[in-house]
Amino acid sequence: QKEVEQDPGPLSVPEGAIVSLNCTYSNSAFQYFMWYRQYSRKGPELLMYTYSSGNKEDGRFTAQVDKSSKYISLFIRDSQPSDSATYLCAPNSGNTPLVFGKGTRLSVIA
Amino acid sequence: DAEITQSPRHKITETGRQVTLACHQTWNHNNMFWYRQDLGHGLRLIHYSYGVHDTNKGEVSDGYSVSRSNTEDLPLTLESAASSQTSVYFCASSDPSNYGYTFGSGTRLTVV
Repeated sequence: QKEVEQDPGPLSVPEGAIVSLNCTYSNSAFQYFMWYRQYSRKGPELLMYTYSSGNKEDGRFTAQVDKSSKYISLFIRDSQPSDSATYLCAPNSGNTPLVFGKGTRLSVIA
Repeated sequence: DAEITQSPRHKITETGRQVTLACHQTWNHNNMFWYRQDLGHGLRLIHYSYGVHDTNKGEVSDGYSVSRSNTEDLPLTLESAASSQTSVYFCASSDPSNYGYTFGSGTRLTVV
């Protein structure tokens, strides 16, 4: 079983839709959970960062962690064409380099 | 402003040649990383360094080497380029107290 699993998509939604992006992981030592956004031909950039279980909200974005099921989610409300990008999850224990999911490619259609 | 820069942005090289990709950061970060990104595989760790003179192998280190002689630079060397090393290479850096990585814009390498 891979350490981090993420559906690569692609996922295509209309503008204004609620988007749900998900990852599962296998390492119970993971305590830090990051989401990166990568635009085409650019490097990934940190979007959200949470510690342990629970929710964290930042504008239209909500990161959710369920450590009991090893499941992490990123929700995007009122999606915009500018949200079109690849989203990568990166759970981590804090003392090893980041391992990334394969990324989910999202297209938001105007 | 602090930044992390990679050079060149694009490179085409021949099989068997030695190639070095540059990564330079002005964040004064101790931690630096090299990843490659391929369709179907995502980002995979090649090598990383936690400080000057420290280097460690990642998941896909065969055929690659790094050296860290100062805080700012972590060059990645392909000792004898192979077609399987055609990829987009990303350098990243981080502070030990900050789990977020700052990535460069990438180098697109083609081995023919």
